[in-house]
Amino acid sequence: DIQMTQSPSTLSASVGDRVTITCRASQSINSWLAWYQQKPGKAPKFLIYKASSLESGVPSRFSGSGSETEFTLTISSLQPDDFATYYCQQYNSFPQTFGQGTKLEIK
Amino acid sequence: EVQLLESGGGLVQPGGSLRLSCAASGFIFSNYVMTWVRQAPEKGLEWVSTITVSGGNAFYADSVKGRFTISRDNSKDTLYLQINSLGAEDTAVYYCTKGKTTATRTGYDYWGQGTLVTVSS
Repeated sequence: DIQMTQSPSTLSASVGDRVTITCRASQSINSWLAWYQQKPGKAPKFLIYKASSLESGVPSRFSGSGSETEFTLTISSLQPDDFATYYCQQYNSFPQTFGQGTKLEIK
Repeated sequence: EVQLLESGGGLVQPGGSLRLSCAASGFIFSNYVMTWVRQAPEKGLEWVSTITVSGGNAFYADSVKGRFTISRDNSKDTLYLQINSLGAEDTAVYYCTKGKTTATRTGYDYWGQGTLVTVSS
Protein backbone atom coordinates (compact mmCIF):
# COMPACT_ATOMS: atom_id res chain seq x y z
CA ASP A 1 0.00 0.00 0.00
CA ILE A 2 1.11 3.56 -0.67
CA GLN A 3 1.58 5.59 2.49
CA MET A 4 0.91 9.32 2.44
CA THR A 5 2.68 11.45 5.02
CA GLN A 6 1.72 15.06 5.59
CA SER A 7 3.77 17.69 7.35
CA PRO A 8 3.36 19.47 9.55
CA SER A 9 0.55 17.85 11.52
CA THR A 10 -0.38 21.22 12.96
CA LEU A 11 0.37 24.65 11.58
CA SER A 12 -0.24 27.95 13.36
CA ALA A 13 -0.50 30.99 11.14
CA SER A 14 -2.09 34.42 10.87
CA VAL A 15 -4.50 35.97 8.42
CA GLY A 16 -2.52 37.14 5.42
CA ASP A 17 0.28 34.61 5.84
CA ARG A 18 1.48 32.39 3.04
CA VAL A 19 1.46 28.75 4.14
CA THR A 20 2.62 25.50 2.61
CA ILE A 21 1.63 21.95 3.51
CA THR A 22 3.69 19.03 2.26
CA CYS A 23 2.49 15.55 1.34
CA ARG A 24 4.94 12.74 0.59
CA ALA A 25 4.09 9.42 -1.00
CA SER A 26 5.97 6.23 -0.16
CA GLN A 27 6.30 5.51 -3.89
CA SER A 28 5.60 7.35 -7.11
CA ILE A 29 1.99 8.28 -7.73
CA ASN A 30 2.74 10.38 -10.82
CA SER A 31 0.37 13.34 -10.40
CA TRP A 32 -2.62 11.39 -9.13
CA LEU A 33 -3.11 13.46 -6.00
CA ALA A 34 -6.01 15.43 -4.57
CA TRP A 35 -6.31 17.91 -1.71
CA TYR A 36 -9.35 18.40 0.51
CA GLN A 37 -10.34 20.91 3.19
CA GLN A 38 -12.46 19.83 6.15
CA LYS A 39 -14.07 21.93 8.84
CA PRO A 40 -15.37 20.47 12.11
CA GLY A 41 -18.60 18.55 11.70
CA LYS A 42 -18.62 18.99 7.92
CA ALA A 43 -17.84 16.83 4.93
CA PRO A 44 -14.53 17.42 3.17
CA LYS A 45 -14.40 19.91 0.31
CA PHE A 46 -12.54 19.10 -2.90
CA LEU A 47 -9.84 21.67 -3.64
CA ILE A 48 -7.27 20.35 -6.09
CA TYR A 49 -6.91 17.33 -8.38
CA LYS A 50 -4.14 15.90 -10.47
CA ALA A 51 -1.71 17.59 -8.09
CA SER A 52 -2.11 21.10 -9.46
CA SER A 53 -5.53 21.55 -11.07
CA LEU A 54 -7.80 23.87 -9.13
CA GLU A 55 -11.37 22.68 -8.76
CA SER A 56 -13.98 25.05 -10.11
CA GLY A 57 -15.12 27.59 -7.54
CA VAL A 58 -12.06 27.22 -5.31
CA PRO A 59 -10.32 30.56 -4.65
CA SER A 60 -7.15 31.16 -6.61
CA ARG A 61 -5.15 31.69 -3.41
CA PHE A 62 -5.03 27.88 -3.24
CA SER A 63 -2.48 26.14 -5.42
CA GLY A 64 -0.93 22.72 -5.65
CA SER A 65 2.31 21.47 -7.07
CA GLY A 66 4.54 18.43 -7.25
CA SER A 67 4.78 15.05 -8.88
CA GLU A 68 6.03 11.52 -8.23
CA THR A 69 6.45 11.46 -4.46
CA GLU A 70 6.47 15.04 -3.20
CA PHE A 71 3.59 17.47 -3.29
CA THR A 72 2.64 20.79 -1.75
CA LEU A 73 -0.52 22.74 -1.10
CA THR A 74 0.04 26.48 -0.80
CA ILE A 75 -2.35 29.13 0.40
CA SER A 76 -0.94 32.45 -0.76
CA SER A 77 -2.71 34.74 1.70
CA LEU A 78 -4.65 33.11 4.51
CA GLN A 79 -8.23 34.17 5.00
CA PRO A 80 -10.31 33.53 8.15
CA ASP A 81 -12.33 30.90 6.27
CA ASP A 82 -9.18 28.86 5.55
CA PHE A 83 -8.60 27.66 9.10
CA ALA A 84 -9.44 23.98 8.82
CA THR A 85 -7.87 20.56 8.43
CA TYR A 86 -6.34 19.64 5.08
CA TYR A 87 -5.89 16.16 3.66
CA CYS A 88 -4.03 14.84 0.65
CA GLN A 89 -5.20 11.68 -1.11
CA GLN A 90 -3.49 9.47 -3.66
CA TYR A 91 -5.64 7.84 -6.31
CA ASN A 92 -2.87 6.32 -8.38
CA SER A 93 -3.72 2.83 -7.20
CA PHE A 94 -5.93 0.87 -4.86
CA PRO A 95 -6.12 0.95 -1.95
CA GLN A 96 -6.42 4.70 -2.23
CA THR A 97 -4.93 6.40 0.79
CA PHE A 98 -5.18 9.72 2.59
CA GLY A 99 -2.58 11.59 4.52
CA GLN A 100 -3.15 11.92 8.25
CA GLY A 101 -4.21 15.55 7.94
CA THR A 102 -2.76 18.97 8.71
CA LYS A 103 -4.67 21.18 11.11
CA LEU A 104 -4.27 24.86 10.24
CA GLU A 105 -4.83 26.96 13.34
CA ILE A 106 -5.03 30.65 14.01
CA LYS A 107 -1.88 31.99 15.65
CA GLU B 1 -27.27 20.87 -8.03
CA VAL B 2 -25.44 17.68 -7.11
CA GLN B 3 -26.77 16.05 -3.95
CA LEU B 4 -25.72 12.88 -2.18
CA LEU B 5 -27.97 11.83 0.68
CA GLU B 6 -26.81 8.97 2.87
CA SER B 7 -29.05 6.94 5.14
CA GLY B 8 -29.01 3.70 7.07
CA GLY B 9 -26.56 4.47 9.82
CA GLY B 10 -27.26 3.89 13.47
CA LEU B 11 -26.34 1.98 16.60
CA VAL B 12 -25.57 -1.68 16.04
CA GLN B 13 -24.19 -4.40 18.29
CA PRO B 14 -20.81 -5.98 17.61
CA GLY B 15 -21.16 -8.65 14.97
CA GLY B 16 -24.23 -6.98 13.52
CA SER B 17 -24.99 -5.70 10.04
CA LEU B 18 -26.24 -2.56 8.36
CA ARG B 19 -26.99 -1.44 4.84
CA LEU B 20 -26.05 2.11 4.00
CA SER B 21 -27.69 3.87 1.06
CA CYS B 22 -26.77 6.99 -0.85
CA ALA B 23 -29.40 8.63 -3.03
CA ALA B 24 -27.81 10.72 -5.75
CA SER B 25 -29.32 13.56 -7.76
CA GLY B 26 -28.26 16.46 -9.93
CA PHE B 27 -25.93 14.48 -12.20
CA ILE B 28 -25.94 11.42 -14.45
CA PHE B 29 -25.24 8.83 -11.77
CA SER B 30 -24.39 6.04 -14.19
CA ASN B 31 -21.51 8.07 -15.63
CA TYR B 32 -19.40 8.33 -12.49
CA VAL B 33 -17.32 6.18 -10.20
CA MET B 34 -18.66 6.20 -6.66
CA THR B 35 -16.81 5.66 -3.41
CA TRP B 36 -17.38 5.31 0.33
CA VAL B 37 -14.97 7.06 2.67
CA ARG B 38 -15.21 6.87 6.46
CA GLN B 39 -13.94 8.88 9.38
CA ALA B 40 -13.71 7.51 12.90
CA PRO B 41 -14.38 10.00 15.71
CA GLU B 42 -11.60 12.57 15.93
CA LYS B 43 -9.59 10.69 13.29
CA GLY B 44 -8.61 11.18 9.67
CA LEU B 45 -10.23 10.07 6.45
CA GLU B 46 -10.11 6.43 5.39
CA TRP B 47 -10.95 5.21 1.89
CA VAL B 48 -13.30 2.21 2.18
CA SER B 49 -14.52 1.09 -1.24
CA THR B 50 -14.95 2.16 -4.86
CA ILE B 51 -17.29 0.85 -7.54
CA THR B 52 -16.96 1.38 -11.27
CA VAL B 53 -19.65 3.04 -13.37
CA SER B 54 -21.29 -0.21 -14.46
CA GLY B 55 -20.89 -1.84 -11.07
CA GLY B 56 -18.83 -4.57 -12.65
CA ASN B 57 -15.76 -3.93 -10.56
CA ALA B 58 -15.33 -3.06 -6.91
CA PHE B 59 -12.30 -2.34 -4.76
CA TYR B 60 -11.99 -2.56 -0.99
CA ALA B 61 -9.69 -1.52 1.83
CA ASP B 62 -8.03 -4.50 3.47
CA SER B 63 -9.71 -3.55 6.73
CA VAL B 64 -13.18 -4.23 5.29
CA LYS B 65 -12.53 -6.84 2.60
CA GLY B 66 -14.80 -9.84 3.02
CA ARG B 67 -17.15 -7.96 5.35
CA PHE B 68 -18.33 -5.00 3.27
CA THR B 69 -19.98 -5.08 -0.15
CA ILE B 70 -20.43 -2.02 -2.33
CA SER B 71 -23.10 -1.98 -5.02
CA ARG B 72 -25.06 0.45 -7.12
CA ASP B 73 -28.42 0.60 -8.85
CA ASN B 74 -28.07 2.92 -11.80
CA SER B 75 -31.80 2.73 -12.47
CA LYS B 76 -32.43 4.19 -9.01
CA ASP B 77 -29.41 6.52 -8.85
CA THR B 78 -28.45 4.89 -5.57
CA LEU B 79 -25.22 3.60 -4.07
CA TYR B 80 -25.14 1.00 -1.32
CA LEU B 81 -22.74 -0.37 1.25
CA GLN B 82 -23.63 -3.62 2.98
CA ILE B 83 -21.57 -3.86 6.14
CA ASN B 84 -21.40 -7.16 8.08
CA SER B 85 -19.55 -8.52 11.10
CA LEU B 86 -19.22 -5.05 12.54
CA GLY B 87 -16.62 -4.33 15.18
CA ALA B 88 -15.85 -1.30 17.31
CA GLU B 89 -13.21 -0.27 14.77
CA ASP B 90 -15.97 0.30 12.23
CA THR B 91 -17.52 3.10 14.29
CA ALA B 92 -17.31 6.12 12.01
CA VAL B 93 -19.12 8.62 9.85
CA TYR B 94 -19.51 7.06 6.41
CA TYR B 95 -19.42 9.45 3.47
CA CYS B 96 -20.75 8.74 0.00
CA THR B 97 -18.58 10.45 -2.61
CA LYS B 98 -18.80 11.07 -6.34
CA GLY B 99 -15.80 10.66 -8.57
CA LYS B 100 -14.89 13.66 -10.66
CA THR B 101 -14.51 11.37 -13.69
CA THR B 102 -15.63 8.04 -15.04
CA ALA B 103 -12.23 6.55 -14.32
CA THR B 104 -11.14 4.93 -11.10
CA ARG B 105 -8.16 7.29 -11.06
CA THR B 106 -10.17 10.21 -9.78
CA GLY B 107 -10.57 12.53 -6.88
CA TYR B 108 -13.96 13.05 -5.29
CA ASP B 109 -15.69 16.31 -6.04
CA TYR B 110 -18.92 15.88 -4.13
CA TRP B 111 -19.51 14.39 -0.69
CA GLY B 112 -22.67 13.60 1.19
CA GLN B 113 -23.26 14.86 4.71
CA GLY B 114 -22.32 11.46 6.12
CA THR B 115 -24.15 8.84 8.13
CA LEU B 116 -22.91 7.76 11.55
CA VAL B 117 -22.43 4.09 12.32
CA THR B 118 -21.86 3.31 15.99
CA VAL B 119 -20.90 -0.21 17.00
CA SER B 120 -21.52 -0.82 20.68
CA SER B 121 -23.18 -3.28 23.00
